[in-house]
Amino acid sequence: NAGVTQTPKFQVLKTGQSMTLQCAQDMNHEYMSWYRQDPGMGLRLIHYSVGAGITDQGEVPNGYNVSRSTTEDFPLRLLSAAPSQTSVYFCASSYIWGSSYNEQFFGPGTRLTVL
Amino acid sequence: AQSVTQLGSHVSVSEGALVLLRCNYSSSVPPYLFWYVQYPNQGLQLLLKYTTGATLVKGINGFEAEFKKSETSFHLTKPSAHMSDAAEYFCAVRHRGGATNKLIFGTGTLLAVQP
Repeated sequence: NAGVTQTPKFQVLKTGQSMTLQCAQDMNHEYMSWYRQDPGMGLRLIHYSVGAGITDQGEVPNGYNVSRSTTEDFPLRLLSAAPSQTSVYFCASSYIWGSSYNEQFFGPGTRLTVL
Repeated sequence: AQSVTQLGSHVSVSEGALVLLRCNYSSSVPPYLFWYVQYPNQGLQLLLKYTTGATLVKGINGFEAEFKKSETSFHLTKPSAHMSDAAEYFCAVRHRGGATNKLIFGTGTLLAVQP
């Protein structure tokens, strides 16, 4: 299993540009989520999904869109990038049910800089 | 609303010394509790978790944590620090019940290990 994969690893954008951060998992997890990590602030939840076709907002959703058309993929879209979105983005996934539902698996992260 | 407080954004210990990283939570009902570790330029890895049962939980790499309901705490300890323990450590909580796996993270503690 590849686990949780994220692409790209690094990205530089100009203000106003759009882009999609990709996240995929091969563990058949129902739950997927996106976090951003900023110094001194820990990880904050952006959006999450409990299954294909179902998404919801987390703590800091503004400026980001998500969709979940398959179990495996959960892309994060920045519609019009702003310098405040400079951050490291992590995707995570887990089961919702069963004995191991509490362990979330994290991807390696995408480091995004918006100029 | 649930919250997590990690006291001390930076902790420095000598190799072989006790490691103590503090975590307190705020919740009307004791949540599920987690410690994650993040090595430089990597994603997060689960160290240990408390869901139910024995309040002293053992994790990977010799770490353990004790859930103390009366103190609303879940401090992480390791009897003897190793150079390889240098990393950032995050405490996280998840609400019991419900069909989501939303984690709320603390702001992290950066552990430095001096030779």
